[in-house]
Amino acid sequence: DAGITQSPRHKVTETGTPVTLRCHQTENHRYMYWYRQDPGHGLRLIHYSYGVKDTDKGEVSDGYSVSRSKTEDFLLTLESATSSQTSVYFCAITALENTEAFFGQGTRLTVV
Amino acid sequence: GQQVMQIPQYQHVQEGEDFTTYCNSSTTLSNIQWYKQRPGGHPVFLIQLVKSGEVKKQKRLTFQFGEAKKNSSLHITATQTTDVGTYFCAGPRAGTALIFGKGTTLSVSS
Repeated sequence: DAGITQSPRHKVTETGTPVTLRCHQTENHRYMYWYRQDPGHGLRLIHYSYGVKDTDKGEVSDGYSVSRSKTEDFLLTLESATSSQTSVYFCAITALENTEAFFGQGTRLTVV
Repeated sequence: GQQVMQIPQYQHVQEGEDFTTYCNSSTTLSNIQWYKQRPGGHPVFLIQLVKSGEVKKQKRLTFQFGEAKKNSSLHITATQTTDVGTYFCAGPRAGTALIFGKGTTLSVSS
């Protein structure tokens, strides 16, 4: 498996609290992505990064922000968590545009 | 906007039967990728197709990319219980990131 680690793996948080999920890679890949997975919706792109400090929005970016200050780390922040953000979050990395994506193990987030 | 659709959403087969999932894009794709996600796991890359009409095989799995590069299929011959999971196709979105279909969940009974 590619060197990609997500933390935490599980989290329960209350509505209105901020939450930060971390994705760490040891592959030195340029591109990093955050997806969320919900039943019936497959994998939907939240945000992605194409380099340090270079990020862009995906199809479901509302309520989320990201930061990438180092090649190896890509942080996803929910500024004020809502129940609709209960989901499984996956980080992915690719070496080049549109090439094979390696996924982390996922973070199961529950907002109560 | 750009969409990638997969059918069927669910498929149950008896062990030994064949299985096919279909993927259709609203736009022409430069490539199509297939991933498998086991229950409780994360998506794992299976293959990438690039050429129009391309066919690739991996043991009992056969992948096809349509002539117009807008559709693809994954066929599994003689399914086994180890084939259980959700199969996703994905194509490059205008820009950088991959857009995924909603997946086909395969269950196999022995």
